[in-house]
Amino acid sequence: AQKVTQAQTEISVVEKEDVTLDCVYETRDTTYYLFWYKQPPSGELVFLIRRNSFDEQNEISGRYSWNFQKSTSSFNFTITASQVVDSAVYFCALSEARSNTDKLIFGTGTRLQVFP
Amino acid sequence: ETGVTQTPRHLVMGMTNKKSLKCEQHLGHNAMYWYKQSAKKPLELMFVYNFKEQTENNSVPSRFSPECPNSSHLFLHLHTLQPEDSALYLCASSQERARASYEQYFGPGTRLTVT
Repeated sequence: AQKVTQAQTEISVVEKEDVTLDCVYETRDTTYYLFWYKQPPSGELVFLIRRNSFDEQNEISGRYSWNFQKSTSSFNFTITASQVVDSAVYFCALSEARSNTDKLIFGTGTRLQVFP
Repeated sequence: ETGVTQTPRHLVMGMTNKKSLKCEQHLGHNAMYWYKQSAKKPLELMFVYNFKEQTENNSVPSRFSPECPNSSHLFLHLHTLQPEDSALYLCASSQERARASYEQYFGPGTRLTVT
């Protein structure tokens, strides 16, 4: 069965701290895609990254980095030197290629609060 | 305008009312989606349209009725709702729905309260 687990419900940090958001997924498909979305207080989910199952290279984009490890079925997201504007709910999501659709399975999200 | 827009942003309605939510995307996409986001629950996919054709109805009660007149517009017609239908309703779009790799772009949502 497909499933995405974000065990951290809420994380609070002080500005400039590094923070890692965990994501663990379950799938029987060999080809799949993983996503991270950010939902600020304004409501819309903002696409951050897509990673396919054949590409285990870590990715860095500014203060954001992602660590994909198939061996542990994890796709963790790290924010370096966090800022107040990073405060949001972050969702990890999975889609499976064999379903031949783009149906996204979301985790329950992690609320990140960054205090000044 | 750019991206995905939704109106209204907030809606309060009684259980006997009829109202509609509107979504418009300016990205040239061909697939559009309705999601329901309730507190403490994962986002729930409700409906999917691909090239104006409904391709998925995720066991949604008939008091929710979608309409997709063209690839840029999506409506969700509401009637005789229940208080448990109170939630944030999100619209999204993607290039098309046949590929698992396409990311979806979301609107800001409509916060619905049913009294």
